[in-house]
Amino acid sequence: EDQVTQSPEALRLQEGESSSLNCSYTVSGLRGLFWYRQDPGKGPEFLFTLYSAGEEKEKERLKATLTKKESFLHITAPKPEDSATYLCAVQVGPGSQGNLIFGKGTKLSVKP
Amino acid sequence: DAGITQSPRHKVTETGTPVTLRCHQTENHRYMYWYRQDPGHGLRLIHYSYGVKDTDKGEVSDGYSVSRSKTEDFLLTLESATSSQTSVYFCAISESPRPPGYNEQFFGPGTRLTVL
Repeated sequence: EDQVTQSPEALRLQEGESSSLNCSYTVSGLRGLFWYRQDPGKGPEFLFTLYSAGEEKEKERLKATLTKKESFLHITAPKPEDSATYLCAVQVGPGSQGNLIFGKGTKLSVKP
Repeated sequence: DAGITQSPRHKVTETGTPVTLRCHQTENHRYMYWYRQDPGHGLRLIHYSYGVKDTDKGEVSDGYSVSRSKTEDFLLTLESATSSQTSVYFCAISESPRPPGYNEQFFGPGTRLTVL
């Protein structure tokens, strides 16, 4: 069974304290791994797509990496505005119509 | 931001009544999806559409039906609402399921539904 697990469930950081969020997956035929940010009361906001092991992508203070079994979202020198829930999702195939399997998310709080 | 709107944004209804949620997009994307988000479960796929009048079931489709008569609109109907369908519902769109570069999904703002 395809499965996505995110850890930790919640993470509290001080402003400027770098850390990483983990997304581990057991799927057949990975077609892409996606990271989203979700603020309270809003829809998920797309951040990154990773397609193959060794791939990395960066956006401001965020950097996403991918191995054959997991992905990390590294947050460098976070600010309070980075507080949100970060969701990881995988798309599997072949024959997939694009359906995503989501993890339960990591709730990040950054205190000033 | 992707041009996706959902209506209504909030709805309270009673058990046994039919409810229809609407998703409207201005991106002309072929693929549209309905998810529900519940505490402790994350986002789960209800139904999806891969073209006008082409739809299929997702992981949690029981008690739901969908219709897509135009590219821009995807409707989710709860035929007879139950309290277990109290949730936040999100619509998503994508150009294509084929990587790379086209299979990202973009989400709408959500509809909070309460069934009493």
